[in-house]
Amino acid sequence: DAGITQSPRHKVTETGTPVTLRCHQTENHRYMYWYRQDPGHGLRLIHYSYGVKDTDKGEVSDGYSVSRSKTEDFLLTLESATSSQTSVYFCAISEGTAVLTTFGSGTRLTVV
Amino acid sequence: QKEVEQNSGPLSVPEGAIASLNCTYSDRGSQSFFWYRQYSGKSPELIMFIYSNGDKEDGRFTAQLNKASQYVSLLIRDSQPSDSATYLCAVRAGTASKLTFGTGTRLQVTL
Repeated sequence: DAGITQSPRHKVTETGTPVTLRCHQTENHRYMYWYRQDPGHGLRLIHYSYGVKDTDKGEVSDGYSVSRSKTEDFLLTLESATSSQTSVYFCAISEGTAVLTTFGSGTRLTVV
Repeated sequence: QKEVEQNSGPLSVPEGAIASLNCTYSDRGSQSFFWYRQYSGKSPELIMFIYSNGDKEDGRFTAQLNKASQYVSLLIRDSQPSDSATYLCAVRAGTASKLTFGTGTRLQVTL
């Protein structure tokens, strides 16, 4: 998927545990995003980054934090997982504001 | 009111017919419009984008944009069973290339 890799692809975790999802790109794109996809809601932006150490919140950021210490890596952390965070998480990258967004293969997270 | 609205479908069309997928958006400052196709269990993939009013054609796909009516559509000519998927409309406004997505329309192309 255009040099973008998400890990893990699947994860089951227990309520209250911390979880970190990783997105790695080899495209040297400036912008990176985390979306979640749920039935009836479509894709919703959680957090995004516009450069190393530069991040901002999306529309559903509560309960999530992110970090970007290198251009190629964007981490999404669920500090204390809840069942409402069961979802498919997609990372995406884009080169700039006029350019298009490419998605990773997704991480299916189940919180039990 | 959702910012980007799509009929969830399913939209069923026979093979060889034209499929018409529609999307409305609420932010008049929206600048760019995208159509993604998503097969079940897969990630979205970009198939069309349009920035200016009018039509934009790419093979069997035509995107149509009417900013005055805040309406964007996707036409798929000569529909094939392989076109069966969910089509997501996305709109970009403002900085950081953030996209706002509709919930998608599921298309079924029948034999």
